[in-house]
Amino acid sequence: DARVTQTPRHKVTEMGQEVTMRCQPILGHNTVFWYRQTMMQGLELLAYFRNRAPLDDSGMPKDRFSAEMPDATLATLKIQPSEPRDSAVYFCASGLGQVQETQYFGPGTRLLVL
Amino acid sequence: GEDVEQSLFLSVREGDSSVINCTYTDSSSTYLYWYKQEPGAGLQLLTYIFSNMDMKQDQRLTVLLNKKDKHLSLRIADTQTGDSAIYFCAEILEGTDKLIFGTGTRLQVFP
Repeated sequence: DARVTQTPRHKVTEMGQEVTMRCQPILGHNTVFWYRQTMMQGLELLAYFRNRAPLDDSGMPKDRFSAEMPDATLATLKIQPSEPRDSAVYFCASGLGQVQETQYFGPGTRLLVL
Repeated sequence: GEDVEQSLFLSVREGDSSVINCTYTDSSSTYLYWYKQEPGAGLQLLTYIFSNMDMKQDQRLTVLLNKKDKHLSLRIADTQTGDSAIYFCAEILEGTDKLIFGTGTRLQVFP
């Protein structure tokens, strides 16, 4: 049963610390998305990649957030330094890169920055 | 703008039908989606409809699309307690892979 995996599932950290979230897309999927979900803003697209190349990161605060795909099986989202307003659930999703194809979501990383 | 709007809450009795509504803004959206999110979980695709269709039925789910009014609805027949979740509609902006999500509707099913 292929699925997107994310680690860690939960993260509590102090303001100013670096946070790294990891995502393993479904094998064979070439498009990876990072979303953030908060009560106030709902679901926001932060960035997405196709064939490991970043296509759009306009939703991501550039000064502290960075997203990379070191290889086809790993996507990372890093926050440095973290702030309390970054507290949210971060979802990774993967797809086959075709418009009509569904995006498969991971279970999310719940981040709390104190 | 890119606002996709939904009502926040819906409460129905088990066995009744549920109708969740969504208003989207991009008339050139090619695909429109319904996702379900259970507590503590990621989003699960329920169904999607292509913009040249008016209706799509999939077992207990019926999707209606009114392109003129940019209105999308999801009807769940014979609603069960397991259907309790947050339901998101989403649209794909033309020429992109970007999914724009609605605000989500929390469906509560009571016995």
